[in-house]
Amino acid sequence: KNEVEQSPQNLTAQEGEFITINCSYSVGISALHWLQQHPGGGIVSLFMLSSGKKKHGRLIATINIQEKHSSLHITASHPRDSAVYICAVGRMDSNYQLIWGAGTKLIIKP
Amino acid sequence: KAGVTQTPRYLIKTRGQQVTLSCSPISGHRSVSWYQQTPGQGLQFLFEYFSETQRNKGNFPGRFSGRQFSNSRSEMNVSTLELGDSALYLCASSLVLSAQETQYFGPGTRLLVL
Repeated sequence: KNEVEQSPQNLTAQEGEFITINCSYSVGISALHWLQQHPGGGIVSLFMLSSGKKKHGRLIATINIQEKHSSLHITASHPRDSAVYICAVGRMDSNYQLIWGAGTKLIIKP
Repeated sequence: KAGVTQTPRYLIKTRGQQVTLSCSPISGHRSVSWYQQTPGQGLQFLFEYFSETQRNKGNFPGRFSGRQFSNSRSEMNVSTLELGDSALYLCASSLVLSAQETQYFGPGTRLLVL
């Protein structure tokens, strides 16, 4: 079993829908990252969380440390949100090593 | 500040050749990580350098190597190329070596091995 699991693997939705992408992990962590990879390949860091919730524009990231689970929400989704969303966690027993999820491919149809 | 730059952006090689990819981190960043991404696969960690020292290494054969220079620029080398080495190679930089630091990614180098 992978230490970081994302679900769903693929998600197709209509423009305007509320989107939720999940990330579960099995190790103790110091931080959790959400990143976005556009079809051209470029990767952008969206959030880094160690507790609670963060919001940036239409994106919201939450983390529940006790349940070892994080969610990335997109409100009022738009076709330009189509991308692969990747979760990565920093292991608590390693100051710098990141463990990467396989990514969730999101397609928003107009 | 300029972002992370990678050269070349595209590369075509044949089996058995070797290749060197370059990554220039954001000014002031001392940590550089390298990743391989094959079609439909997630990011596979190759190695990480901090202050010219390899601090962490992924599960790749010895054909994959790297180094970091005193100006934090990094190179990775793949010798005796195989068809399966065709991939997008990404590098990322951060200020320091920490899982709590934001990583900034370059645009990647697309390598095709024929």
